[in-house]
Amino acid sequence: AQSVTQLGSHVSVSEGALVLLRCNYSSSVPPYLFWYVQYPNQGLQLLLKYTTGATLVKGINGFEAEFKKSETSFHLTKPSAHMSDAAEYFCAVTPMDSSYKLIFGSGTRLLVRP
Amino acid sequence: DTAVSQTPKYLVTQMGNDKSIKCEQNLGHDTMYWYKQDSKKFLKIMFSYNNKELIINETVPNRFSPKSPDKAHLNLHINSLELGDSAVYFCASRDGNYGYTFGSGTRLTVV
Repeated sequence: AQSVTQLGSHVSVSEGALVLLRCNYSSSVPPYLFWYVQYPNQGLQLLLKYTTGATLVKGINGFEAEFKKSETSFHLTKPSAHMSDAAEYFCAVTPMDSSYKLIFGSGTRLLVRP
Repeated sequence: DTAVSQTPKYLVTQMGNDKSIKCEQNLGHDTMYWYKQDSKKFLKIMFSYNNKELIINETVPNRFSPKSPDKAHLNLHINSLELGDSAVYFCASRDGNYGYTFGSGTRLTVV
């Protein structure tokens, strides 16, 4: 069964510092990969996704992620953190079957210090 | 606005009651989902419908019954509510390019 591991339930950075949120997946076949952001008391908003093609994917709000098949990873980065980036971030995969369901990681809470 | 809308946003009810959550999407998507987010923020798929047909039922107690009257609507009915059902329930829909759109959630509290 496919699974997603997000290393670090909480990540704290200073405003202006690099943001790195880690995501690893387990799958014999590379799945499609996603990053979502959830602000307090809100739904999930898509940051970016990888399906095929270029392995470096750019998303909204200055975020990007790189699919590395050899490392089964899809880490999320942003060069300079902003206070408004403070939120919960979820990595997710879609298994390559007919279900098209999203399997989520456990989430990482990003804290941005002034 | 094009969106996935859920009602109600908040639901507080007593144990043993029966309640429903409604979801509607005007995006023209064929596939809709229900996800449950527990108190630790963990998100798990519950059900999926494709064009009114059930395609995923992920080991959810049979007290939970989804209903899809048409492809734009997916409702969730819960019988005999238990304390452990307290969670945030998210509806979502999917387009043909793996674009998932989530509703803003229904926070269910069972007391």
